[in-house]
Amino acid sequence: GQQLNQSPQSMFIQEGEDVSMNCTSSSIFNTWLWYKQDPGEGPVLLIALYKAGELTSNGRLTAQFGITRKDSFLNISASIPSDVGIYFCAGQLAGTGKSTFGDGTTLTVKP
Amino acid sequence: DAMVIQNPRYQVTQFGKPVTLSCSQTLNHNVMYWYQQKSSQAPKLLFHYYDKDFNNEADTPDNFQSRRPNTSFCFLDIRSPGLGDAAMYLCATSSPGTMKKSPLHFGNGTRLTVT
Repeated sequence: GQQLNQSPQSMFIQEGEDVSMNCTSSSIFNTWLWYKQDPGEGPVLLIALYKAGELTSNGRLTAQFGITRKDSFLNISASIPSDVGIYFCAGQLAGTGKSTFGDGTTLTVKP
Repeated sequence: DAMVIQNPRYQVTQFGKPVTLSCSQTLNHNVMYWYQQKSSQAPKLLFHYYDKDFNNEADTPDNFQSRRPNTSFCFLDIRSPGLGDAAMYLCATSSPGTMKKSPLHFGNGTRLTVT
């Protein structure tokens, strides 16, 4: 089946720094999704990308759907302590409704 | 607010004792999913319902079953829980008729402990 490689696995940054994480796949997806999960909670959708090359922002978050449709990145600018959590990318194929998840990036922000 | 609700948030069961987890949604989504998530790993799809059609993942153990009596509710039954089934169980939905744009909407999960 399809697999996603998400990196980095973890990040330790200082408050105010920018963060970048990415996902790559050996095969194409029609949709890329980015989720954030806080401890003991379900994943919450941050950004959804539906078109190759699409660049979308949500506040301090920016994500892009790679031109090859095999990758996506998520940037967080000016990080704050509440950005702490696990960030998951997910790829979807049209018509299936099923998502393949990356292994997550654990973000720690030091005040 | 429209949402996905899972009950209970925490469930403790004994080894081998059947347990049922429940999920309800007010989003009127056609598709409902059950994921298993262990210890900061990626969610792993167990199965999903597209309307009343049940779709099992090839590697989902027979110990896991599901029921969807109507659009709003979906249940996960674990017939004989083992210690390895301790995990967070996540229910998710996606929107009907627009499969191209159908991000998953997750509930807050049920944390299952097996003693």
